Amino acid sequence: DIQMTQFPSPLSASVGDRVTITCRASQNINKYLNWYQQKPGKAPRLLISVFYGLQSGVPSRFSAGGSGTDFTLTISSLQPEDSATYYCQQSYRAPFTFGQGTRLEIK
Amino acid sequence: QVQLQESGPGLVKPSQTLSLTCAVSGGSISTGGYYWSWIRQHPNKGLEWIGYIYHSGSSNYNPSLRSRVTMSVDTSKNQFSLNLSSVTAADTAVYYCARSGSQMYFDLWGRGTLVSVSS
Repeated sequence: DIQMTQFPSPLSASVGDRVTITCRASQNINKYLNWYQQKPGKAPRLLISVFYGLQSGVPSRFSAGGSGTDFTLTISSLQPEDSATYYCQQSYRAPFTFGQGTRLEIK
Repeated sequence: QVQLQESGPGLVKPSQTLSLTCAVSGGSISTGGYYWSWIRQHPNKGLEWIGYIYHSGSSNYNPSLRSRVTMSVDTSKNQFSLNLSSVTAADTAVYYCARSGSQMYFDLWGRGTLVSVSS
């Protein structure tokens, strides 16, 4: 299986900050990396795919990049509603695996 | 718009079979190009993909669970199902059904249902 490792966790930042979350794959996954946001008691929500782009309805302050084994999710200007846990997921090869999550707290 | 809704028992006894159904509304499960997955989340933990099924009945399971998992699809009822046999406490989790395209990112999720395994 492809192992996905996220860091840092947890992460604390202030409103307006630029925040970057990193995800590392245990092997080359090209650009088949996706990011989800999950709030307490809710299902995950797809934010962005590195290969396919931003999901409809997701604010443009979210962006993603990387290829191979190292990937990032960036929030350009943190908003209070961005407080959540963020997961990366590789869609390169089954079984499709997720990172352990990065909990983002607003100071 | 398309919505997913999980249903099934919230409590299952150890060694029994966990059975869940995901009802698809607002669209047809037979629409080509979509794969229908089950994903679970242990309490306060990360996400684990269990497997997917296509409307044709073809499936792909996570090897870690393959020996205990069976998925099926009922196109007449517009739903798909998960059976997980010989459950233990380690199978206690929130179970989500989700949709993906061939790109295998999950763009639509159900609300999830908590299944506890306990005697």
